[in-house]
This record gives sequence, structure tokens and C-alpha cells, in this order.
Amino acid sequence: QVQLVESGGGVVQPGRSLRLSCAASGFTFSEYGMHWVRQAAGKGLEWVSVIWYDGSRKYYGDSVKDRFTISRDNSRNTLYLHMDSLRVEDTAVYYCARDPSLSPMYQFDFWGQGILVTVSS
Amino acid sequence: EIVLTQSPATLSLSPGERATLSCGASQSVGNNYLAWYQQRPGLAPRLLIYGATNRATGIPDRFSGSGSGTDFTLTISRLEPEDVAVYYCQKYGDSSVFGPGTKVEIK
Repeated sequence: QVQLVESGGGVVQPGRSLRLSCAASGFTFSEYGMHWVRQAAGKGLEWVSVIWYDGSRKYYGDSVKDRFTISRDNSRNTLYLHMDSLRVEDTAVYYCARDPSLSPMYQFDFWGQGILVTVSS
Repeated sequence: EIVLTQSPATLSLSPGERATLSCGASQSVGNNYLAWYQQRPGLAPRLLIYGATNRATGIPDRFSGSGSGTDFTLTISRLEPEDVAVYYCQKYGDSSVFGPGTKVEIK
């Protein structure tokens, strides 16, 4: 069965960096686009970033562009999100999610359990 | 960019009743690339419906989607206690836009 397990969250001061990981299993990781989606407490869902199955293309939401970097290691079946210059407003639960298409359609058919990132001084 | 609205904001019904959730788009959703997700309290979202009308794998048949263009509907034919959740519609395809959600409660 498909499993996505996020790790690396925690409390970080504004302006600092953090790297999230998402370990994938139960499917051929290298054949799927992958996304990060976040959700602030009590708020709705916000798409953050996408990476193509082979890492050849990456796109970001406006609120994180130039601060966050998505990457993947297909040999380790792992997705990453490197977050720089963190702001208080980046505080949220971050989910990794699988796209059912080779070239992402921005549809999310499986989700991880989520990991909390808190940006606070 | 397309903006999605959802109504009502909250729906309170008794078990066994029919729930009708609406999602409106500010412009036509191409190819009916409209999905619905269920997010139970404290859990990650789960894909229910894609392509406006197609149930995702393992989704009970009491959930159905309809609509096209700018008006879409998620129907839960007979509400069960486990259906308590927030339901989000989403436009996908070349980008992702989520609606604000409808919270479904049991009376």
C-alpha cells in the first residue's frame, strides 16, 4: 500500500532554515510527480510546490518562491523541501502528496500524515 | 486565476440524511478538472472525487460528484457519523486552487 511519511518538522526561529523529508513506499516513486501542500491551523489547504517524476521541473507557489526548494532522491524514494528565510506565516502542517500523473496534474491521490512546522521567536 | 467558492460553510444534518455540497468557479473549469477531498478531524485530506464525477479508489458509492463548467456538487446520499469532516473542492490541471471548504456536522 502507498505510504508517505514526513519528518523534519519542529520549532524554528524566523529567518532560519529547515528541511522536511517525505519517505515514500508501496509504489514506484520515480514514476510520479510529487507535491508539498500546507495548512495553517484552522485554515484551508495551500499548494506549495511540485517536482516532476525525474526532478527536471519544479514550481512554487508565490508565497514561497525564492525561499523554498523542492528536490527528490529517487534512489532513496525520498522527497525533500528545503525552507529558507522562514517567516511566522509559514507556520503550518506540511503534507507531501503524490500526483497520479507522470507529468503532474496538480491532483493529489495519496497524502502523508503531515508534519508541523512552527516558526516563532 | 480561477477562484472557487463553496456553500454552505457549515452543514448540520442527521444520520441517514442527504448532504449536498456546492462548489462554484469564477470561470469555467477546463476538462472538468475538479476534485473533492475529505479531511476528517486531525487527519490528512483524502481524495474522494476527480474529474468532477469519478470516485477515487475505495470511496463508498454513497459519495457522488456532478456538475460541469462553473457549478459542481458533491452529494453524500446517506450521511454516516464517519462523514463528519471538512470537504474541499479543488481545480487541478495546470495549477491547483482549493475552495475554502464546507464543514459537515452530525446533529
